[in-house]
Amino acid sequence: ETGVTQTPRHLVMGMTNKKSLKCEQHLGHNAMYWYKQSAKKPLELMFVYNFKEQTENNSVPSRFSPECPNSSHLFLHLHTLQPEDSALYLCASSQERRSRGNTEAFFGQGTRLTVV
Amino acid sequence: KNEVEQSPQNLTAQEGEFITINCSYSVGISALHWLQQHPGGGIVSLFMLSSGKKKHGRLIATINIQEKHSSLHITASHPRDSAVYICAVRAFGNEKLTFGTGTRLTIIP
Repeated sequence: ETGVTQTPRHLVMGMTNKKSLKCEQHLGHNAMYWYKQSAKKPLELMFVYNFKEQTENNSVPSRFSPECPNSSHLFLHLHTLQPEDSALYLCASSQERRSRGNTEAFFGQGTRLTVV
Repeated sequence: KNEVEQSPQNLTAQEGEFITINCSYSVGISALHWLQQHPGGGIVSLFMLSSGKKKHGRLIATINIQEKHSSLHITASHPRDSAVYICAVRAFGNEKLTFGTGTRLTIIP
């Protein structure tokens, strides 16, 4: 148990569906992240939220839409995905300390997404 | 070429062996992380280093800032150590982590 909880753990969706991934952290962190992990590739950063403000969008297609309603929750809304979007989506959180560098990141268990 | 290179990509060893996994990076960093990912997908942070050496149980992580290199060692390896070990670095002035592709470790009883 890392203090970061992701739901669902597994998701199968069609290309016309709309679904959302949820991430919740109980660590009091001020930064939350979405990562994508595809087979045989390094983790790719998708989005960063600091203090509920999106600070980074790594050229992610608009069919992925993040939402951070408060500092403990992060969503990733999915619509009209493609089969190549099938991957493990990981959420992480950390405490950003601008003068002293971020703390280590804590990761959720991930959501295994399959687009059919 | 990835900014973070790990070696080996795959490693199989007998229970009890001393394990070393290497990580080289090409940018100036403020911190380096070693992470462990089990087959279910969840990632656990093992170490965060900016200099020297850290030890936690049977795990030891070292970093040489001048050579831009870090190693993760496992002493008295056990089958439950079987996982993918990932190195990640945080560049100066950047909150992003850049990840290596991971080393898949299998410990045979």
